[in-house]
Parts: sequence; C-alpha cells; structure tokens
Amino acid sequence: QQQVKQSPQSLIVQKGGISIINCAYENTAFDYFPWYQQFPGKGPALLIAIRPDVSEKKEGRFTISFNKSAKQFSLHIMDSQPGDSATYFCAVLRSNDYKLSFGAGTTVTVRA
Amino acid sequence: GAGVSQTPSNKVTEKGKYVELRCDPISGHTALYWYRQSLGQGPEFLIYFQGTGAADDSGLPNDRFFAVRPEGSVSTLKIQRTERGDSAMYLCASSLLAGGNNEQFFGPGTRLTVL
Repeated sequence: QQQVKQSPQSLIVQKGGISIINCAYENTAFDYFPWYQQFPGKGPALLIAIRPDVSEKKEGRFTISFNKSAKQFSLHIMDSQPGDSATYFCAVLRSNDYKLSFGAGTTVTVRA
Repeated sequence: GAGVSQTPSNKVTEKGKYVELRCDPISGHTALYWYRQSLGQGPEFLIYFQGTGAADDSGLPNDRFFAVRPEGSVSTLKIQRTERGDSAMYLCASSLLAGGNNEQFFGPGTRLTVL
C-alpha cells in the first residue's frame, strides 16, 4: 500500500527553468516530509525536508511548499541546471518512527 | 569510512542460489536499515536494526530473506533460494539514532540480478 503518491513520473526542463514535483499523502500522522535526490548508480541522498508547522522551506535553489489541509507537498527546483538531472523521491515519516515511505520517483532531465 | 558502503556493487546469480549482501554503516551509527528498490520505484523498507538486534523485520517479503548484524556494525542481508522476482537494488542506510529526527544516510546499493 503506497503511503505517498508522486507526480509526474518524469519531466524535461530547459536550463534555467523551474522543475515542480508534487506529492500527496492520506495519513495525517505523518509529520516529516523529506525529498531525496538519486543519481544513477548512487543511493538516495537527503536534499531538503519540512515539518508541518511551516508552509515553505527554502535551501538555495530548492524549495518545499507544504499544504497541510490538502495533504500535499511539492518540490520546486529554481534555475534548473544540467547537474540537477536526477531522480527525485518524496517520502513521508512519523517522527516517532523510522520507516521511510517513498513515492515512486520523478526523473528530471535538464536540457542545456 | 566517510559514508555507508555496500558490497558487492553488482551481483548476478542463478535462480535457486544463495546470496549475501554486505553493508558497512557510518562509524558510530547505531541504527541500520535495509531497503529494496525495484526498477522505476522508490525504496521499500525491509528491516531495521538497533544495535545488534533486528528491531523490526516486518518488511522482509518471506522467510527466504534474513539479515544479521552480529557486532552492531556491519550487516549482512541473506537471501536463500533466490527467485527472479528478487532482482532489485538493495540499499542499506544508517543513522546515528533511530527516529524521524535522525537523517538516514544511504549507501550506493547492491544491484542483484537473478537469472
């Protein structure tokens, strides 16, 4: 049973453009929402994470927007660069738990 | 080491064979996790160790899968009588402590192919 639904499956963006990936969940017990970046042949690496007490978190060119009432959160990659080409996974977790539940992933391709 | 390491990076085996996958966590991390990632999917939880004991093995798909962490550091995931459906990327992660405030650091994975 998938705990979080992620879309789109893939996207292509021009260099300098904005990439947007969306995730939706049902269980309101989740209170930690991380995004992971995975390059081919590598394991996922934590990119940025948010807790439900804030609606937005920004780190450099990466921003998470969180809508608690809609049970949705999204990753925005501003000024996308070819080096951002990777697969991105959203995940959900309860803070007293340890089992990350991942979305299916979004493959982002940034064209130069 | 600087990060989580896993060996081998690739393993090709025949249906019915036994395989062992090794994980070296970050030094000092007490919590260790195994996940399985099928092609085009996100990682799925298999098992969690706190120290030497398997605190939660609820994600193991069946009794052909077993994992150990005898000294509270290195862990080995063991798969008996492998099946073609076991083909996947097996990821190991570790964290300083367990729980949502502790980042899980992932290794590069072992790509298992069962022919």
